[in-house]
Amino acid sequence: GENVEQHPSTLSVQEGDSAVIKCTYSDSASNYFPWYKQELGKRPQLIIDIRSNVGEKKDQRIAVTLNKTAKHFSLHITETQPEDSAVYFCAASRGDTGRRALTFGSGTRLQVQP
Amino acid sequence: NAGVTQTPKFQVLKTGQSMTLQCAQDMNHEYMSWYRQDPGMGLRLIHYSVGAGITDQGEVPNGYNVSRSTTEDFPLRLLSAAPSQTSVYFCASSQGRSYNEQFFGPGTRLTVL
Repeated sequence: GENVEQHPSTLSVQEGDSAVIKCTYSDSASNYFPWYKQELGKRPQLIIDIRSNVGEKKDQRIAVTLNKTAKHFSLHITETQPEDSAVYFCAASRGDTGRRALTFGSGTRLQVQP
Repeated sequence: NAGVTQTPKFQVLKTGQSMTLQCAQDMNHEYMSWYRQDPGMGLRLIHYSVGAGITDQGEVPNGYNVSRSTTEDFPLRLLSAAPSQTSVYFCASSQGRSYNEQFFGPGTRLTVL
């Protein structure tokens, strides 16, 4: 089955700096890669996703890049703000199959220092 | 729309007890799933369903049963609770088409003593 590894497990940045979180996956058939943000005690919420037919996607201060050859993808947050502090999870799935199950990374706790 | 709802929010069980975690969605989503979240391990898939009457196992199915008699509801049953099942349980749903966002419920925090 799919295995997703995520680094780093914790990340502390100063407000205004950029943050980068990296994930690798093992199943070359995976073709859908979402990123979720989870605040303390809350449910995971989708912040951005990318399909395997594109290499990069941006949404305001958030971007995701995908390298299918190397089987890794990354989340980039620019101009970080204190409200970006949360746990971020990457995930991978074979989105075009009936199973459509997400395999999650172990999470990155991002702390943005004011 | 209420989205994805889960009950109860908190539950304490004794070892060997059984219970059902409820999950419902009002978005007419075909796909529903259950995950458990343990510290430092992300979310792991327990069971999933691609439509009413169809269920299948995920990564960690042992000790859990599911059924899907309607599109809206997807209950998770713990047959004989064990301390290893202490976790936060999330239900999620998405539309039938591929690549669609999975929406998560608020979660149930379960403690097994």
